[in-house]
Amino acid sequence: DTGVSQNPRHKITKRGQNVTFRCDPISEHNRLYWYRQTLGQGPEFLTYFQNEAQLEKSRLLSDRFSAERPKGSFSTLEIQRTEQGDSAMYLCASSLTSEANGYTFGSGTRLTVV
Amino acid sequence: DQQVKQNSPSLSVQEGRISILNCDYTNSMFDYFLWYKKYPAEGPTFLISISSIKDKNEDGRFTVFLNKSAKHLSLHIVPSQPGDSAVYFCAALNTDKLIFGTGTRLQVFP
Repeated sequence: DTGVSQNPRHKITKRGQNVTFRCDPISEHNRLYWYRQTLGQGPEFLTYFQNEAQLEKSRLLSDRFSAERPKGSFSTLEIQRTEQGDSAMYLCASSLTSEANGYTFGSGTRLTVV
Repeated sequence: DQQVKQNSPSLSVQEGRISILNCDYTNSMFDYFLWYKKYPAEGPTFLISISSIKDKNEDGRFTVFLNKSAKHLSLHIVPSQPGDSAVYFCAALNTDKLIFGTGTRLQVFP
């Protein structure tokens, strides 16, 4: 297993366009998390799944954002009508339910909205 | 409202000396803390953690200290090595999600 994989690594888009990111977790991990990191800040929680169920969403996740995890495997994060304030690094992480000593993070997708 | 704070944005330490990175938190209900290390263009990687039932946890060159009364934790790296140069994030586990500080950039010079 090569760890948590995120695609694409970089995305430049024009304001108003829709973008979709993909995360492939470690295969035996049943929890999957999305975080967002802006410049000079630490990662901020967006949402997480246990298997295919989305269990929690942050208030940071406006109605332009939607995340799915069909079949409890890979996940997608879609941002509709992107705004310049959406420019950030989007990080995905996965873990086992009982694992409290840290997730495994992917390398992230860097989004630039111009 | 920043619940986990790292007040030093950067730290520069000579190789072989001790690096001390500090972290403060505001929520006394937090009971599990983690340190992550992040290189540019990579995701954070787990370093070391500590439960609130302990005041110290050690793993090789890395030691984390927790002072619950002061709501303060620190990461000690000794001896520091150039490969330790990275951004270090403190995080608190809060009902299945991590709350991160803003990070401290550590530079270890020869």
